[in-house]
Amino acid sequence: KNEVEQSPQNLTAQEGEFITINCSYSVGISALHWLQQHPGGGIVSLFMLSSGKKKHGRLIATINIQEKHSSLHITASHPRDSAVYICAVRSGGGSQGNLIFGKGTKLSVKP
Amino acid sequence: ETGVTQSPTHLIKTRGQQVTLRCSSQSGHNTVSWYQQALGQGPQFIFQYYREEENGRGNFPPRFSGLQFPNYSSELNVNALELDDSALYLCASSLAGHQPQHFGDGTRLSIL
Repeated sequence: KNEVEQSPQNLTAQEGEFITINCSYSVGISALHWLQQHPGGGIVSLFMLSSGKKKHGRLIATINIQEKHSSLHITASHPRDSAVYICAVRSGGGSQGNLIFGKGTKLSVKP
Repeated sequence: ETGVTQSPTHLIKTRGQQVTLRCSSQSGHNTVSWYQQALGQGPQFIFQYYREEENGRGNFPPRFSGLQFPNYSSELNVNALELDDSALYLCASSLAGHQPQHFGDGTRLSIL
């Protein structure tokens, strides 16, 4: 079993829909990241969370440390949101580079 | 502010060859991490360099090695290439003790 599990693996939505991507992890963490990867491969960091909730524009990320679960929400989705969304955690110990990644959720937003 | 740049963008090699991938870190960042991302998978941590020293390593064999230079740019070297080394190699830089990491666009390596 992977230490970081995401669901769903693939998601297709109509423009304007509210989208939720889930991430569960099984290790102790010091931080959780949500990343966006476009088809060319480049990765953009969206959020870093250690507790609570963060909002940036139409994106909202929440984390429940007790339940070891995080969600990424996209409100009023748009075709330009189409990308792979990756959840990654930094475990409590080790180098700061030792991020453990989920396999990603491929989101496709249709006009 | 210059972001993380990687070169080359694409590379084709054959089994048994050696390859060097390069990464220029974001201005002001002194830590570089390398990741391997196979098709359809999440990235896997290879190793991290901080101030020219290896500062953590994932589950990769010794034929994966690296360097960090005084200007904090970095190289990833892979010897005796195998077919399974075909992947996107990502570099990310950060200021030690600060998050998040800033990623480059990656080098796509294909082994024939």
